[in-house]
Amino acid sequence: DAGITQSPRHKVTETGTPVTLRCHQTENHRYMYWYRQDPGHGLRLIHYSYGVKDTDKGEVSDGYSVSRSKTEDFLLTLESATSSQTSVYFCALGPTGNYGYTFGSGTRLTVV
Amino acid sequence: GENVEQHPSTLSVQEGDSAVIKCTYSDSASNYFPWYKQELGKRPQLIIDIRSNVGEKKDQRIAVTLNKTAKHFSLHITETQPEDSAVYFCAAVSSGNTGKLIFGQGTTLQVKP
Repeated sequence: DAGITQSPRHKVTETGTPVTLRCHQTENHRYMYWYRQDPGHGLRLIHYSYGVKDTDKGEVSDGYSVSRSKTEDFLLTLESATSSQTSVYFCALGPTGNYGYTFGSGTRLTVV
Repeated sequence: GENVEQHPSTLSVQEGDSAVIKCTYSDSASNYFPWYKQELGKRPQLIIDIRSNVGEKKDQRIAVTLNKTAKHFSLHITETQPEDSAVYFCAAVSSGNTGKLIFGQGTTLQVKP
C-alpha cells in the first residue's frame, strides 16, 4: 500500500535487549514518522524525519532513537527494551502534495 | 506543545442513527485536519480531511466541520451501518515544515444492528 513496508510484523523480545524496527518506502517521500499506539492514548509521535540524516523528537521519544541514512529507510531503535515499550508501532509517510499521510501495516512488539 | 483532544472515547448508536465525534486542537497554526478509521488489527485509513480555508466538507454519509475561531472540528456520520463500527481518530497538522500529525485519543464507535 503506497509503497511502505514495516518489518518485522511481530516481535517478542526480552527486557534489556536492543530492538530495531524498520520502515521502508519506495515513494521517495521526504517526511517519515514513527508512532506508537496504546489503548486510551491514540497514536503518539515518537520521532520523525524530514530528510536524510535529519530527524527530531516527538512527544514520547525517551528510550528510542532513530536513524535515516537513506531516503527509503527509517529505523527505530529501542536501546534497552522495557515492558512499557510493549506496543504497536506504526510508520507513516507524508505529507504528499494533497497533505495525505499513509501508514504502514504496523509492528506488534512485546517486551517480556 | 501541540495537543488534540477527542470526545467521546466510546459511542454506541443504533443502525441508521447519526454519530458525531468532536475534537479540539491547541495549535492555532494548524491548517490540515484529517480523520482516520481503524478497524481491529489494521492500519489507520484516511476517510476524510479538511483544510483550514474550508468550513465544511462532505463525502456521501460522512462530513467534517471546522470552526477555526473555536479551534474545534467534528466528524458526522449519517445513516450509520454496522460496518462503520471501528475506532476513529482525529488529527491536526501544523503549518510548520515538519508536517507533524498529532492525533486525538480515539473514539470507539459501535453501531448496533
